[in-house]
Amino acid sequence: DAKTTQPPSMDCAEGRAANLPCNHSTISGNEYVYWYRQIHSQGPQYIIHGLKNNETNEMASLIITEDRKSSTLILPHATLRDTAVYYCMGRGAGSYQLTFGKGTKLSVIP
Amino acid sequence: DVKVTQSSRYLVKRTGEKVFLECVQDMDHENMFWYRQDPGLGLRLIYFSYDVKMKEKGDIPEGYSVSREKKERFSLILESASTNQTSMYLCASSPGQPNTEAFFGQGTRLTVV
Repeated sequence: DAKTTQPPSMDCAEGRAANLPCNHSTISGNEYVYWYRQIHSQGPQYIIHGLKNNETNEMASLIITEDRKSSTLILPHATLRDTAVYYCMGRGAGSYQLTFGKGTKLSVIP
Repeated sequence: DVKVTQSSRYLVKRTGEKVFLECVQDMDHENMFWYRQDPGLGLRLIYFSYDVKMKEKGDIPEGYSVSREKKERFSLILESASTNQTSMYLCASSPGQPNTEAFFGQGTRLTVV
């Protein structure tokens, strides 16, 4: 699975879009990009995943660059409840494992 | 609503005790996982199981064993607990198909004294 790099922390004003970057320059062609988040004292929660195309669901949007070396998770209107650690990871097409890095601690500021 | 349930939220055990952490999922998932989470180190995979009675070592299996006698239940065993196994333990499950989301339990905070 690809090694990923994320900034350790970010702040975002409440109501604004939160853009969380992830570098995965070693990702292979069949690896999906996954995002999870972990709110304090809870288990991680799945957000979104994608391979090449941009993806959107009710929680977030995922933008993957054309060369697939990086991606951005977008929370369109951040709320205080979005304060959490966000994890980006690569996962092979046939892989069952999830390998978590250290993630980005997002603080949403009132 | 999907559910992964860990038997205890908080647990305190003595050094040398045999400790069982239990995890049950109600989604008929084939895959189940045990992670530990420590400050500054993130989540690290201990063991996972892709079928009943099947198991694979993760990144840090030393000092742990697992048991999966039934599809819905995955147990993590600390044969002889040590203080360096004080940690948050998280169980997860996912369907058998690859590239599906995993669901996590709330975690068990284990303290070994």
